[in-house]
Order: sequence, then structure tokens, then C-alpha cells
Amino acid sequence: QVQLQQWGAGLLKPSETLSLTCAVYGGSFSGYYWSWIRQPPGKGLEWTGEINHSGSTKYNPSLKSRVTISVDTSKNQFSLKLSSVTAADTAVYYCARLSRSIFGVDDRFDPWGQGTLVSVSS
Amino acid sequence: SSELTQDPAVSVALGQTVRITCQGDSLRSYYASWYQQKPGQAPLLVIYGKNNRPSGIPDRFSGSSSGNTASLTITGAQAEDEADYYCNSRDSSGNHYWVFGGGTKLTVL
Repeated sequence: QVQLQQWGAGLLKPSETLSLTCAVYGGSFSGYYWSWIRQPPGKGLEWTGEINHSGSTKYNPSLKSRVTISVDTSKNQFSLKLSSVTAADTAVYYCARLSRSIFGVDDRFDPWGQGTLVSVSS
Repeated sequence: SSELTQDPAVSVALGQTVRITCQGDSLRSYYASWYQQKPGQAPLLVIYGKNNRPSGIPDRFSGSSSGNTASLTITGAQAEDEADYYCNSRDSSGNHYWVFGGGTKLTVL
């Protein structure tokens, strides 16, 4: 049973850099994509980006200039950094495993981490 | 704005059947996955692909797709099914990004 456990700073000031890490326990790290998804308070889900075990990344175009996702295969961990945060970046951030199929027939995010609330306030 | 459109809220009487829909151009090419989210919890995958349920998801949950619309059906809704439901698929531009619908709040009466 794969489990994802995430951690990171929960309170930031504007212009600081958000930093979160997600550890993967109990399953293979290769063969999947590892994603970050965020949810502003009271709002819907927004995909932030993804990385595979080789370090290949994709980012949400709306965040691309500020986001970096990295991977540490020796620890089965991946991390999110989001620079120059503003109040608009206040959200619960989730890590999730993405199973991506070749023809898009079985794509899914499962499982998810427990979520980390990151608040940006001066 | 989301490339996948969901009704903001739907209600169903206890034990009855409810369909939650998701519309978007990308659904003509790709299947949607569906996630249940209860207050204070992480989303939980309930349906993916043509109509696949992860282990532990009750068989009252099912999925279907036609044209640009994906549907999640709950047959015999239970009180514990009251939650927000989100659809997800690839974006319609072919860039292989991921988009979520705005979510549907399901109330079980």
C-alpha cells in the first residue's frame, strides 16, 4: 500500500519561497509521475506540476515562471518550490502519484498526501 | 477558468440515483477520473478510465462518457456519499497538462 507523507513550512510572508517535500513509502518510485496539486480555501483543485523519477518535469503554464519540482530518488522523495509567493498562493497543497497511460485511458491521481496548508500573509 | 465544467451543486434523496456531469473538449479524446472530497480531507479517487473503481470503492459508483461529457453515477446514494466531487482530465490543447472541473457539491437529503 503506497503512502505519501508531506511536510513543509505553513506560514510565509509575501515574496518568500514556498518549500514542500513529499515522501513515498511502500511502493515503486519509478514508472510514475509525482505531482503537486493545490486548493485555495473554499475553492477547487489546481494542478501545479509533475516530475518523474528521471527528473523530467511539466508545470502549469500559469505558474511556470515561479515553480520548480525536483526529485531525490535515493530517498523516494520529491519537492515543490514556489518563489515570490503572494496571498493568492494561500492554499492546501497536496502531493499525489500520477499514473499516466499512453493513450489517456487510465490516467489517475492516486494516492494523495494528507495536504499542507500554506498561508501567505504579511 | 476551468476547461472542465461541472454543476456547482446537486442533491439526491437517500437511496436514489444521482448523476454528476463534467463537460469539456478534452473529454472527446480522454477519459475523466473522478475524486470525492469530504471536508478537511484529501481527495479520494473513486472512478478512472472507462469505468474502473479502485479497491475499496463501493460498486454503487460508476462512470460513463459520451462525446464531450463524462458522468459519475451513484446508484443508491448513501449519507456518507455527501461530499464534493471533482472530475479531471488532460487539457484540450494537447500539451498533456492536467485540468480539474470546478467541483460539484453533492447533498444527500
